[in-house]
Amino acid sequence: DAMVIQNPRYQVTQFGKPVTLSCSQTLNHNVMYWYQQKSSQAPKLLFHYYDKDFNNEADTPDNFQSRRPNTSFCFLDIRSPGLGDAAMYLCATSSYDGYTFGSGTRLTVV
Amino acid sequence: GENVEQHPSTLSVQEGDSAVIKCTYSDSASNYFPWYKQELGKGPQLIIDIRSNVGEKKDQRIAVTLNKTAKHFSLHITETQPEDSAVYFCAAAETGYSSASKIIFGSGTRLSIRP
Repeated sequence: DAMVIQNPRYQVTQFGKPVTLSCSQTLNHNVMYWYQQKSSQAPKLLFHYYDKDFNNEADTPDNFQSRRPNTSFCFLDIRSPGLGDAAMYLCATSSYDGYTFGSGTRLTVV
Repeated sequence: GENVEQHPSTLSVQEGDSAVIKCTYSDSASNYFPWYKQELGKGPQLIIDIRSNVGEKKDQRIAVTLNKTAKHFSLHITETQPEDSAVYFCAAAETGYSSASKIIFGSGTRLSIRP
């Protein structure tokens, strides 16, 4: 089945230690998104790619970076995770027909 | 930019009764309105969506209505079952073939079904 896959499902990282979350898709959608979701809050858009064009939300901290080496893969890099960055990180793709979300990666910062 | 408001924040209904969740949006350019169900520890799952050229859509026990003039849309779940317990998010987006749309979520409704 075509889908959006996020790895790992759970990630524990140390305070200040860089961490990378990954997302892959088999839908061949040209748009990919990263959202941050904290405990029962609405997902908050961090940035998105339209093909290779990167679009950062104005309030996304500089600590968050992203890479999209090809259509299928997108990575979220957190350069120096703080305790406040503990959250569920959701990857999504979209086409005109709608959005598809991955299952998310829950990040814990210790 | 778009702003989506969602009410109520929590909703408890007796099993078998109906549940209604309401949302309003601000950007008249929005043309796509999905509803997501999110269970604990999982990503949002699309349960139903509606586009601005349609006033109502139904899928078994779930229905969504859209009033473009008033800029509000609602989710209706009939004959509720325990497995309907979850957090529900409404959302709005302006979709197009040649641009990326940004989906804006409402604040969520925690629905609890009482046995």
